[in-house]
Amino acid sequence: EPEVTQTPSHQVTQMGQEVILRCVPISNHLYFYWYRQILGQKVEFLVSFYNNEISEKSEIFDDQFSVERPDGSNFTLKIRSTKLEDSAMYFCASTSAGADYGYTFGSGTRLTVV
Amino acid sequence: DQQVKQNSPSLSVQEGRISILNCDYTNSMFDYFLWYKKYPAEGPTFLISISSIKDKNEDGRFTVFLNKSAKHLSLHIVPSQPGDSAVYFCAALKETGNQFYFGTGTSLTVIP
Repeated sequence: EPEVTQTPSHQVTQMGQEVILRCVPISNHLYFYWYRQILGQKVEFLVSFYNNEISEKSEIFDDQFSVERPDGSNFTLKIRSTKLEDSAMYFCASTSAGADYGYTFGSGTRLTVV
Repeated sequence: DQQVKQNSPSLSVQEGRISILNCDYTNSMFDYFLWYKKYPAEGPTFLISISSIKDKNEDGRFTVFLNKSAKHLSLHIVPSQPGDSAVYFCAALKETGNQFYFGTGTSLTVIP
């Protein structure tokens, strides 16, 4: 069955460095999402993406964050200048029609900022 | 390969009755299971979890049952309330890893 693939599974980066988290959504899905979960806290919505543009974003998704779908298959989350508090699990998800029950989540990228 | 499956995309239940949400998994290396609840445009919220050494965990109106031999877990909500209407995801973890494996979700509607 198709799946959402996230790479890398674990990334360690120095504070202030740029990091790009990569996701390959399911090929016929149209809506793409990024979530994060700081250890011990709830999963937080970051951004949704449809038709090559951001459709919704949360307060967390400030100017340090950006998303891109550069080649029609990859969906990336970039953090320009990482902070210690960006350390978290980042989940990518996609759906075919924006319906919640059609979500497919990736297995996550653990980002550790040191 | 979808290692965690929720085969019912939607479920409707009358208020006050029991809601039963099901989840199946294929990987016997999973040893920790979680249920999340999700409202539209929000991130999933952790609801309840269970370790593979247990077969039941209860928290208020929510009970999770784990049947390791069948590789099946279920979430029971009783009594169901309209505020329980949301999408429910099950997720699984392996002892050795930090990767989550999510099901595709079941949309629960509790009818007043």
